[in-house]
Amino acid sequence: QQPVQSPQAVILREGEDAVINCSSSKALYSVHWYRQKHGEAPVFLMILLKGGEQKGHEKISASFNEKKQQSSLYLTASQLSYSGTYFCGTETGYGGATNKLIFGTGTLLAVQP
Amino acid sequence: SQTIHQWPATLVQPVGSPLSLECTVEGTSNPNLYWYRQAAGRGLQLLFYSVGIGQISSEVPQNLSASRPQDRQFILSSKKLLLSDSGFYLCAWSMYSNQPQHFGDGTRLSIL
Repeated sequence: QQPVQSPQAVILREGEDAVINCSSSKALYSVHWYRQKHGEAPVFLMILLKGGEQKGHEKISASFNEKKQQSSLYLTASQLSYSGTYFCGTETGYGGATNKLIFGTGTLLAVQP
Repeated sequence: SQTIHQWPATLVQPVGSPLSLECTVEGTSNPNLYWYRQAAGRGLQLLFYSVGIGQISSEVPQNLSASRPQDRQFILSSKKLLLSDSGFYLCAWSMYSNQPQHFGDGTRLSIL
């Protein structure tokens, strides 16, 4: 079943912060985060493994709560370049060689000057 | 470094015509390969994935098929396209579990 992301859409001013959540009904082995700009392919941001790991990438970080089967993406001091649609991709159970992901519903982020 | 090529970038096809989309990866061996479809304004739906030559797993019953004739080549096909086959088709590759998936630039398919 497809992970649910919230909010569906968010509008920010430059410099503001945002949190995007990804919630799964299944136990998660790992969570991947991607950003897709309009008309382009998704671009990889980061991977989090089970164990409550938190990672950072410039001003973008993420956490993974294995027990709650949730992951959150944190964008701080947002820039115009952060605009796009954010997707979480979840790996449920150890996929072994497949690395098969089920992608979430997506969150549209628009950063305005 | 690894690169992924996908073509064509755009395609307009009549209903009932055949389809062949090709994806190739360079700079790596025995990658996992994936085909996704994205409807306008929607998320990514996994269609097929492959862990090796000739090994294809289908995720969604549909009008499409996939083949992997060579280690780094992945082909998406249809014998007769339907209007519902319209969308943005993305090929991706990765190595094993816990590794990023890297996407090609995609093919925008319109069915008339």
